Amino acid sequence: AQKVTQAQTEISVVEKEDVTLDCVYETRDTTYYLFWYKQPPSGELVFLIRRNSFDEQNEISGRYSWNFQKSTSSFNFTITASQVVDSAVYFCALSPLSAKIIQGAQKLVFGQGTRLTINP
Amino acid sequence: SAVISQKPSRDICQRGTSLTIQCQVDSQVTMMFWYRQQPGQSLTLIATANQGSEATYESGFVIDKFPISRPNLTFSTLTVSNMSPEDSSIYLCSVERLAGDNEQFFGPGTRLTVL
Repeated sequence: AQKVTQAQTEISVVEKEDVTLDCVYETRDTTYYLFWYKQPPSGELVFLIRRNSFDEQNEISGRYSWNFQKSTSSFNFTITASQVVDSAVYFCALSPLSAKIIQGAQKLVFGQGTRLTINP
Repeated sequence: SAVISQKPSRDICQRGTSLTIQCQVDSQVTMMFWYRQQPGQSLTLIATANQGSEATYESGFVIDKFPISRPNLTFSTLTVSNMSPEDSSIYLCSVERLAGDNEQFFGPGTRLTVL
């Protein structure tokens, strides 16, 4: 079974603080992809990152960084020096390769999301 | 990234009626997906639509309730049939690029309220 857990339902911090959003996943596939999406109040889903299960290198993109640890099945997301515009719901998602092989289509399993509020 | 548009962006419908949501992509894509996001909840995959074949539905979703069309590589529709208030959700179209490199992008969503 595939499952993504985002234990933090809501996080509220003051602007300029660093904040880490946790994501823990479960899968029996040895090859899979992990994603993070941002959903601002307007409702659209914004793609942030995709990570292949064979690539455990951490990634940094501006104020965003991702820590992928296969040993703990975690793919955490850190925002450095947070800004009010970072306020949104953030979703972590998993896509097992087996779904793509069997059904020819990548299927995303989403976590419940973390609502992040950055206060001025 | 693919540019995806959905129509309508929002609608308020009466119980028992049906609504067809359109999804248009600016480039050819292999797979198109329809997700539902109930209020305050995460996204749940309804079905996968491959051009030229029947859509594949996830557990808990059936074709009679959510018929899908995929007439070409840039367009799909999802119909929410015989609606009830429980169908009030955001419905999102998603696409996987033709390159199959696992990039998946989402449309802006259709916010549906059923009275």
